[in-house]
Amino acid sequence: QLQLQESGPGLVKPSETLSLTCSVSGGSVSSPSYYWGWIRQPPGKGLEWIAIIYFSGSTFYNPSLESRVTLSVDTSKNHFSLKLTSVTAADTATYFCARQSRSITGTPEWFDPWGQGTLVTVSS
Amino acid sequence: EIVLTQSPGTLSLSPGERATLSCRASQFISSSYLAWYQQKVGQAPRLLIKATTSRARGTPDRFSGSGSGTDFTLSISRLEPEDFAVYYCQQYGSLPLTFGGGTKVEIK
Repeated sequence: QLQLQESGPGLVKPSETLSLTCSVSGGSVSSPSYYWGWIRQPPGKGLEWIAIIYFSGSTFYNPSLESRVTLSVDTSKNHFSLKLTSVTAADTATYFCARQSRSITGTPEWFDPWGQGTLVTVSS
Repeated sequence: EIVLTQSPGTLSLSPGERATLSCRASQFISSSYLAWYQQKVGQAPRLLIKATTSRARGTPDRFSGSGSGTDFTLSISRLEPEDFAVYYCQQYGSLPLTFGGGTKVEIK
């Protein structure tokens, strides 16, 4: 059974860089059938898609965050990572990683499963 | 960007009643590329429905999805106590991927 686990600092100072890693077990990030993604949820609010990455390193970013986001994948460690630069209080959220199904034509589809999420607070 | 509007914001119902949740898109969603998720307090979202009508593994058959184009519906035929949660729709017809704002199904 595939499991995903987010890890990283729970507190980041304004203007600094938020860095999170998602460790995958019970499956491989090198699978050609999936993308690997990040979604966030501010406290008490809805879900926002951040970005996804393929094992080859191909990425798709949400235009609203693209200038500040970088995704990477490490197939040897079976994990993928998120970096978000120049954070502000508006970036305070629970960050989820998830596996995303990929169609045969390469279309990103639904997210399943999700990690449990990690709360990141931006504050000095 | 396709904006998804979910209604109502909150649905107050009793166990055993039927729930009907709406997800309306600002643009046509190609190939009915829409999914539904359930999120309980303090938990990650869980996939319920993919491709508008297809139940994910483990989703009880009291959950059903329907719709096309710009109008989609999640129905729960008879609410069980464990169904009281927040439900989100997500489109994957075009990038950026987007989610609706959610509908909370609460106990009346």
